[in-house]
Amino acid sequence: DIQMTQSPSSLSASVGDRVTITCRASQSISSYLNWYQQKPGKAPKLLIYAAYNLQSGVPSRFSGSGSGTDFTLTISSLQPEDSATYYCQHSYSNPYTFGQGTKLEIK
Amino acid sequence: QVQLVQSGAEVKKPGASVKVSCKASGYTFSSYVISWVRQAPGQGLEWMGGISAYNGNTNYAQKFQGRVTMTTDTSTSTAYMELRSLRSDDTAVYYCARETAVGSYYGMDVWGQGTTVTVSS
Repeated sequence: DIQMTQSPSSLSASVGDRVTITCRASQSISSYLNWYQQKPGKAPKLLIYAAYNLQSGVPSRFSGSGSGTDFTLTISSLQPEDSATYYCQHSYSNPYTFGQGTKLEIK
Repeated sequence: QVQLVQSGAEVKKPGASVKVSCKASGYTFSSYVISWVRQAPGQGLEWMGGISAYNGNTNYAQKFQGRVTMTTDTSTSTAYMELRSLRSDDTAVYYCARETAVGSYYGMDVWGQGTTVTVSS
């Protein structure tokens, strides 16, 4: 199975900050990488698919980059509503594992 | 609007089975894969597998092979996930999600509201 490792596990940032979350795959997954946002008690929401494609309706302050084994989710200017847990997930091969999550808090 | 509506919470005893439903509306059900993802209390997300609503082909995570069955009913646009031989560590919120494809790339773009399954004696 391909293991997905996110860092950091948690972070705290201020409104307006630029925030970066990284995700590393245990082997190359090309661009088969998605990012999700989950708020407490809610279902996850797709933010980025295929490494860098912004899902329809997602604010442009979210962006994704990377290929192979190393990927990044960036929030260019943090907003209060971005407080959530973020997960990466690969769709390269069965099983489509998720990272352990990064909990983002607003200072 | 496009949505997935799941069945209600379940409480089961160890060794029992549970069957969760996921009713789709607002799109052509047979054109997509439905995946199932679970989340234990306070834990992360775990992909269980998926089923093509077009032809019924399934793709289960090895961890659940032999214990899970995913089916669809195209006449009612409903997907089902049955998990057998339940254990306490199967206690989780179970989500269905629509897989959308762009070329060979897949992402889960529409999610159900989640179904809480509690396994307790």
